Amino acid sequence: AQSVSQHNHHVILSEAASLELGCNYSYGGTVNLFWYVQYPGQHLQLLLKYFSGDPLVKGIKGFEAEFIKSKFSFNLRKPSVQWSDTAEYFCASSTSGTYKYIFGTGTRLKVLA
Amino acid sequence: DGGITQSPKYLFRKEGQNVTLSCEQNLNHDAMYWYRQDPGQGLRLIYYSQIVNDFQKGDIAEGYSVSREKKESFPLTVTSAQKNPTAFYLCASSMTGGGGEAFFGQGTRLTVV
Repeated sequence: AQSVSQHNHHVILSEAASLELGCNYSYGGTVNLFWYVQYPGQHLQLLLKYFSGDPLVKGIKGFEAEFIKSKFSFNLRKPSVQWSDTAEYFCASSTSGTYKYIFGTGTRLKVLA
Repeated sequence: DGGITQSPKYLFRKEGQNVTLSCEQNLNHDAMYWYRQDPGQGLRLIYYSQIVNDFQKGDIAEGYSVSREKKESFPLTVTSAQKNPTAFYLCASSMTGGGGEAFFGQGTRLTVV
């Protein structure tokens, strides 16, 4: 069965620190991968997505993620975080035609000004 | 503006009562979903619908019911059979099943009093 694991549940960083959030998926076939962000009081927004092609994906607000098939990973990175990045981040996977998006448990990021 | 509208934003229910959460989308998406979000558990799929007049159970469908009479609308009823209904409920839609990104509404926070 498809599953997504996020190992960091809470992360606290100072502004300008670098960020890396881990995401591992389990599925033997072709997957689509997503990172969503949920700012306080707002709806989930897509940060970036990977379907195929270049494994390094760039998203909005300076975020990027790298798909490493051999490690079943899709980690989210940002070289320098800002206070406004404080939010909850969700990794998700899907497979075309299955109508199922599987989400990880989320990582709460707090950035200290 | 195109998007997904969930109403109400906050809902209080007495134990033993059924309650219906509204979800409307004007994105012309075929697929719609209901997720439940609990702290530390991420998003869990309740029901999904690929097309009008068709819907499928997700991972935690017990105590919930849905209908899909119109493409734009996918209401969720939380019945008295749901043992722990207090949660944040998110509605989503996508153009295709799993092959593209899912778009989310603002959510409804249901509290059983």
